[in-house]
Amino acid sequence: GQQLNQSPQSMFIQEGEDVSMNCTSSSIFNTWLWYKQDPGEGPVLLIALYKAGELTSNGRLTAQFGITRKDSFLNISASIPSDVGIYFCAGRGDDKIIFGKGTRLHILP
Amino acid sequence: NAGVTQTPKFQVLKTGQSMTLQCAQDMNHEYMSWYRQDPGMGLRLIHYSVGAGITDQGEVPNGYNVSRSTTEDFPLRLLSAAPSQTSVYFCASSYGIPPVGYTFGSGTRLTVV
Repeated sequence: GQQLNQSPQSMFIQEGEDVSMNCTSSSIFNTWLWYKQDPGEGPVLLIALYKAGELTSNGRLTAQFGITRKDSFLNISASIPSDVGIYFCAGRGDDKIIFGKGTRLHILP
Repeated sequence: NAGVTQTPKFQVLKTGQSMTLQCAQDMNHEYMSWYRQDPGMGLRLIHYSVGAGITDQGEVPNGYNVSRSTTEDFPLRLLSAAPSQTSVYFCASSYGIPPVGYTFGSGTRLTVV
């Protein structure tokens, strides 16, 4: 079945640093989604990408839909303490949304 | 607007017991789904529904049943709970078929002892 490889699994960074994470797949997706999950809560949609090559920003977050339609990346600039959490990529195929295993972001004091 | 509401938030079951996890949405979304989240495994799709009366299996359906009698409700039934079903369960809904993007509930943390 379709699978997403999300990396890195976890990151430890200093406040103010930029962050980059990505997702790759052997399958083509029609839509790429990026979610953030805070402890004890459900994931919340950050950015949705609908076209190959699309680059979309949401505040300090920027995401891109890869040209091959098999990958996507998310960048966070100038990280702040509230960026801590788990970030999930998700790809939408014909009738389902498949999630990566997540990137856990830690911010060191 | 309540969004997606899941109950209960926490539950402890004994092996072999059955129970139903409730999910309701008030956004008139056609598409609803259930995921389980386990450490290091991400979110895995259990069952999904594209509308009232229509359900289908996801990646990990064994041990779970669903039904969709109304647009709003999509309950998940554990028939005979097993320790391997200890997990956090999320219900999600989306407009559009195929789904455009999910709105998630806040989750049900289930422990089977």
